[in-house]
Amino acid sequence: IAGITQAPTSQILAAGRRMTLRCTQDMRHNAMYWYRQDLGLGLRLIHYSNTAGTTGKGEVPDGYSVSRANTDDFPLTLASAVPSQTSVYFCASSDSNGITDTQYFGPGTRLTVL
Amino acid sequence: GQNIDQPTEMTATEGAIVQINCTYQTSGFNGLFWYQQHAGEAPTFLSYNVLDGLEEKGRFSSFLSRSKGYSYLLLKELQMKDSASYLCAAADSNYQLIWGAGTKLIIKP
Repeated sequence: IAGITQAPTSQILAAGRRMTLRCTQDMRHNAMYWYRQDLGLGLRLIHYSNTAGTTGKGEVPDGYSVSRANTDDFPLTLASAVPSQTSVYFCASSDSNGITDTQYFGPGTRLTVL
Repeated sequence: GQNIDQPTEMTATEGAIVQINCTYQTSGFNGLFWYQQHAGEAPTFLSYNVLDGLEEKGRFSSFLSRSKGYSYLLLKELQMKDSASYLCAAADSNYQLIWGAGTKLIIKP
């Protein structure tokens, strides 16, 4: 069982380019999340999805979009990357259904926008 | 506003005990998580408390006081592999996690 996988592992991107970070889980979890982690700050929620077909905005959604066409996949798209989006991005999932449940994290994508 | 406070960095000696504190202010409360994160890796789940009191799990224990908005993670018999960042996160009324910046724990021989 792989758990959660993310791709790519790392990426250097020119400002203004479009980029999609991929996230796939095989645990059949209902909920999925995208976070960014920056030095000195806690994990910040970008977008989330409580179930396939629905998405919601987190704390820092601007400049990012997501889709949840099925249970397993939750891609994050940067339409036009800017240097402030340089960060480590973590995807997570949980078997949440309106209750608090443990989130399990993917290995992360290290993104540098120049 | 919602806020999580925890120390930025702590140092301890191999074999000793260390307590990492966390205070939280959230809109509603649905539990407190502790995660461990080694450098360059993903956070991994350590513990979850929703009721007051101490939860023990091997060398690690976690305590919660809801009335004080306070939690701590206690690590006993420290090993070099415990060198990591420890993240505190509180679930708010919408079950979203509010994360602290993490406490970097340095273990010295």
